[in-house]
Amino acid sequence: SAVISQKPSRDICQRGTSLTIQCQVDSQVTMMFWYRQQPGQSLTLIATANQGSEATYESGFVIDKFPISRPNLTFSTLTVSNMSPEDSSIYLCSVVLLGQGFDEQFFGPGTRLTVL
Amino acid sequence: DQQVKQNSPSLSVQEGRISILNCDYTNSMFDYFLWYKKYPAEGPTFLISISSIKDKNEDGRFTVFLNKSAKHLSLHIVPSQPGDSAVYFCAASEGGGTSYGKLTFGQGTILTVHP
Repeated sequence: SAVISQKPSRDICQRGTSLTIQCQVDSQVTMMFWYRQQPGQSLTLIATANQGSEATYESGFVIDKFPISRPNLTFSTLTVSNMSPEDSSIYLCSVVLLGQGFDEQFFGPGTRLTVL
Repeated sequence: DQQVKQNSPSLSVQEGRISILNCDYTNSMFDYFLWYKKYPAEGPTFLISISSIKDKNEDGRFTVFLNKSAKHLSLHIVPSQPGDSAVYFCAASEGGGTSYGKLTFGQGTILTVHP
């Protein structure tokens, strides 16, 4: 298994500001992802965080709004830029561990973001 | 376009009885299905999965059934325990489970098991 930590666990932010969320894993991973869960909705994949290169974004998500970094195998950040109330969500990182299969995807505890 | 749907927002069952959680999908390219369980303030944890080449997979108290023709899967929990109370998410992917990370999730079903 893996222990995944996210910082901050929650935050309340003002419209127009930006927030950077950190994800740290205690094991070597192959893949890291960022998801969003809007209130009452399902989890939606935002992007795949690629080590040392630009993230791969899903349809409807763009780098200017959600810049992602992954400087090494075990750490990634997601920034929510120029926030609006519609960005109020839970943001989760997830990982696939090195040497393990697809269904061993582990999720972090999530960051609950409220935008006023 | 909700490709994975869990039409029951909540389910309440008595301890010891069977819990049946349902999930429907529309994308015929999905060939790998998973169930995740989520407690408050925690991330989802993997529970059980099934490939489209099977119609049943069992792991202890948990069994997942897949009906490809109906594009429907269900999770059976027998017997249900109070500790099973959580939100259950159905998820699906293409590529036989090799398309790492590209999971499409349903909205979740809140299961409450009463003592």
